[in-house]
Amino acid sequence: AQTVTQSQPEMSVQEAETVTLSCTYDTSESDYYLFWYKQPPSRQMILVIRQEAYKQQNATENRFSVNFQKAAKSFSLKISDSQLGDAAMYFCAKYNNNDMRFGAGTRLTVKP
Amino acid sequence: DTEVTQTPKHLVMGMTNKKSLKCEQHMGHRAMYWYKQKAKKPPELMFVYSYEKLSINESVPSRFSPECPNSSLLNLHLHALQPEDSALYLCASSPGTSVSTDTQYFGPGTRLTVL
Repeated sequence: AQTVTQSQPEMSVQEAETVTLSCTYDTSESDYYLFWYKQPPSRQMILVIRQEAYKQQNATENRFSVNFQKAAKSFSLKISDSQLGDAAMYFCAKYNNNDMRFGAGTRLTVKP
Repeated sequence: DTEVTQTPKHLVMGMTNKKSLKCEQHMGHRAMYWYKQKAKKPPELMFVYSYEKLSINESVPSRFSPECPNSSLLNLHLHALQPEDSALYLCASSPGTSVSTDTQYFGPGTRLTVL
């Protein structure tokens, strides 16, 4: 199985600081898509950011940006100016060939 | 209406019961999805419906039977489940049918317990 690995089960960050969540993946394909999803305690999953593997430019969405290293198969999420509402479980996911795989997740705590 | 709703929120059933989970969206989305999420685990894709037709079935056991009666409604019929099927069942929808490029909007989930 082509896996997605999140090596940090838990992370914490001080409010207004920056935090980076790690994600690596395994694939033999050259064309695929990567995602970061956020699942707050209310359980409603929300898409944070998406990256197409064929694009070299790193995706950004306001305070969220990714560092996509295709050769290293790495896809980390950087959250700048962390806010209390960013506290959630973050899942990295990969999609290709009708197969969607999620990592085990990283629980982010934001300290006031 | 800009949300995906799921009913019931909680469901407890015995292994011989037949029950159904319901998912609705009124955003005009053309694709709908079922995921299974066990406690402290990531979601696992079960089924994808595109234009009311089953397009992806991730080798899910036949005791789970999806149904898409119309473009707004997605059901998951449950029969003869096992205790290990206890999980949070998430429904999602997306405007188009591309899993890769269309944003999925998730419902709050149904917490299922099988006794």
